[in-house]
Amino acid sequence: DQQVKQNSPSLSVQEGRISILNCDYTNSMFDYFLWYKKYPAEGPTFLISISSIKDKNEDGRFTVFLNKSAKHLSLHIVPSQPGDSAVYFCAASTGSGNTGKLIFGQGTTLQVKP
Amino acid sequence: NAGVMQNPRHLVRRRGQEARLRCSPMKGHSHVYWYRQLPEEGLKFMVYLQKENIIDESGMPKERFSAEFPKEGPSILRIQQVVRGDSAAYFCASSPLQDWYGYTFGSGTRLTVV
Repeated sequence: DQQVKQNSPSLSVQEGRISILNCDYTNSMFDYFLWYKKYPAEGPTFLISISSIKDKNEDGRFTVFLNKSAKHLSLHIVPSQPGDSAVYFCAASTGSGNTGKLIFGQGTTLQVKP
Repeated sequence: NAGVMQNPRHLVRRRGQEARLRCSPMKGHSHVYWYRQLPEEGLKFMVYLQKENIIDESGMPKERFSAEFPKEGPSILRIQQVVRGDSAAYFCASSPLQDWYGYTFGSGTRLTVV
């Protein structure tokens, strides 16, 4: 049962253009969403997050949008840079109880071409 | 301030042997999380621990896997009688507070069972 899905395994964009990575979820109890970036042979690095009470959060070149009715979130990177080439994971949490457990999507490999 | 330290980085075990993976959280962090990433998949939650306590082990296989986070020393993920299906990257993360979602991951241990 894949509660968090990233349906695009890969994405290729030109340097300077916008990268849009998408994520869908099925569990309406999720109330906090995060994006992580991962380079080969390294651990995931936290990028940006959003609470379910918001529909947008921005941090520099990175913006996350949340559409609760569609159970969809997206990460926008503007402008894209070659150093952004990595695997991007979205993750979600219910925030209930005492657990910090995150549910991850399968990841999208972003390639930014110079 | 060192990040989350995992060792070894690479571990090769023959089928039937035991694997011990170690994780030292960031200084001041008292919460540890273990995740497993199988090839071509996202990260799957395994277990959440505080010092001397298992908070959530809902992602741990029922047999052969155990985890601890003693009062002194690193957290240990132990896999007994390894099988080829245990081959994966195992990531540890730590956080300073309960329900703190932007936690920090280590670089992982890549387990290969031959």
